[in-house]
Amino acid sequence: NAGVTQTPKFRVLKTGQSMTLLCAQDMNHEYMYWYRQDPGMGLRLIHYSVGEGTTAKGEVPDGYNVSRLKKQNFLLGLESAAPSQTSVYFCASSYSRLAGAETQYFGPGTRLLVL
Amino acid sequence: GDSVTQMEGPVTLSEEAFLTINCTYTATGYPSLFWYVQYPGEGLQLLLKATKADDKGSNKGFEATYRKETTSFHLEKGSVQVSDSAVYFCALSIFGNQFYFGTGTSLTVIP
Repeated sequence: NAGVTQTPKFRVLKTGQSMTLLCAQDMNHEYMYWYRQDPGMGLRLIHYSVGEGTTAKGEVPDGYNVSRLKKQNFLLGLESAAPSQTSVYFCASSYSRLAGAETQYFGPGTRLLVL
Repeated sequence: GDSVTQMEGPVTLSEEAFLTINCTYTATGYPSLFWYVQYPGEGLQLLLKATKADDKGSNKGFEATYRKETTSFHLEKGSVQVSDSAVYFCALSIFGNQFYFGTGTSLTVIP
C-alpha cells in the first residue's frame, strides 16, 4: 500500500496563476481532507469530503476549490494564486468518523511558493 | 469553540532525558485525543491516541493519558533518543467531524 500520495511535491507559481494539487489514497477511505500548514499556526483545515461526490468547507476555504469525483482522489484547486497561499499543503484520509476509527493518515505534503 | 493548546517550543533535551510536552483541550463534547509526530520533510504520522477518559495511549516508549478532570493529554517519554527529534502535534476530534490541531512543539535531542 502506498497510503496517501500527493502530487506535486513542490511548485512555484506567479501571482494569478492557477494550479491543481492531487491527492490519492489506496486505503478505501471514505473521508479525505486538505490542510495547510503555516509556521506557528499548526494545521488548518481547508476543505474536506465525506464521500465520493461530496465536499464541504473547513476553517480556511477562501481562494480554494475542491473536487472528489472518485473515491480515491481529492483535488485541491487554486484558481488565482496569491502570495498568502504560500504554504505547505497536506492531504489526509480516514476510514470513518466513528470514535476509534477516525484516525487521519497524512500524505508527505506539497510545498507551494507563490511569488 | 473546540481547541487544543500545547506548550510552545522549541524544546532541546540531552539524550536519555525525560520528556513532557503539555497539551490541554477545550471541547463541547467527548473528544478523541491524538498525538501526531512530523519528522523533517515528511507528513504527520499518528503516534498514539485515546478515545475516552482515563485511557492511556502508548507507542514507541511515548505515553499520554486522557485526563477529563484536567482536560489534558500530556505526552511523556522516559528516555528520549536523537531519533525522536521532530515536531509533535496534539489534536482532538469530536465525532470525527473535524480535527483540531495544536500549533506543534519542536523537539531536538542532542547526543
